[in-house]
Amino acid sequence: GQQVMQIPQYQHVQEGEDFTTYCNSSTTLSNIQWYKQRPGGHPVFLIQLVKSGEVKKQKRLTFQFGEAKKNSSLHITATQTTDVGTYFCAGPGAGGTSYGKLTFGQGTILTVHP
Amino acid sequence: DARVTQTPRDKVTEMGQEVTMRCQPILGHNTVFWYRQTMMQGLELLAYFRNRAPLDDSGMPKDRFSAEMPDATLATLKIQPSEPRDSAVYFCASGSGHFYEQYFGPGTRLTVT
Repeated sequence: GQQVMQIPQYQHVQEGEDFTTYCNSSTTLSNIQWYKQRPGGHPVFLIQLVKSGEVKKQKRLTFQFGEAKKNSSLHITATQTTDVGTYFCAGPGAGGTSYGKLTFGQGTILTVHP
Repeated sequence: DARVTQTPRDKVTEMGQEVTMRCQPILGHNTVFWYRQTMMQGLELLAYFRNRAPLDDSGMPKDRFSAEMPDATLATLKIQPSEPRDSAVYFCASGSGHFYEQYFGPGTRLTVT
C-alpha cells in the first residue's frame, strides 16, 4: 500500500533555532496535508498543498510541495516553546475511491528547549 | 465552534470486557474516520464511513472490533472482548468530500488491564 515516510523521527532544538521536517512518498501525491498534535492532544489540521512546487506560509511556518509532488517539507523559523508537538504529513489513501482517506506519516516529535 | 466530540475520554477496563466508544461528527460532514494511536504504530486508520456506509475497515481486527454509524450524528467503535494490546488512544475524525481536511475529536484513552 501507499506509504508516506517522514524524517526525522525526533528533533530537539533550542528556542530560536529553526526546524525542518520532511515527508517523502514513492508515488505522486495529488495533495498533501500537514497536522500538528500537541502533547496529550489530538491532531489539528494546519494546511493542504495541491500544486506542484507550491509554497505556503503561516507566520513562522513554511510549507513546500515538491515539483514532482512526491515530497514535502515543513520549516519553522525561530522556534518557540509553543511549537512543541508532533508534526504529521498525510497523503491520500491508496485506492480509486479513497473519499478523503489519508495515510499519515510516522510524525516528527519536536522538543524546544527554552 | 463546531467540533467532533468523543465519549468516554478515558476508559479503564479488564481484559475480556466489552468497550464501546462513541463519536459525534461535525454536523454536515459526510465522512467519519476511526484511528488508533500508539507509540509503536503511530496513527493507524481502523475504519471509515461515507454517508454512513462503511467504505473500508481493513485496518480493523475483524474478530473483535466492529464499527457502525447508526445515524448521521453518531459513530461507534466496539471491542469485544478487549485485550491488553488494545490499549491506545482512539480518535474519531470527520470531514467532507475529497481532499478535505479532517477534524479530529479529543480521543478516548483506553487502558485494558
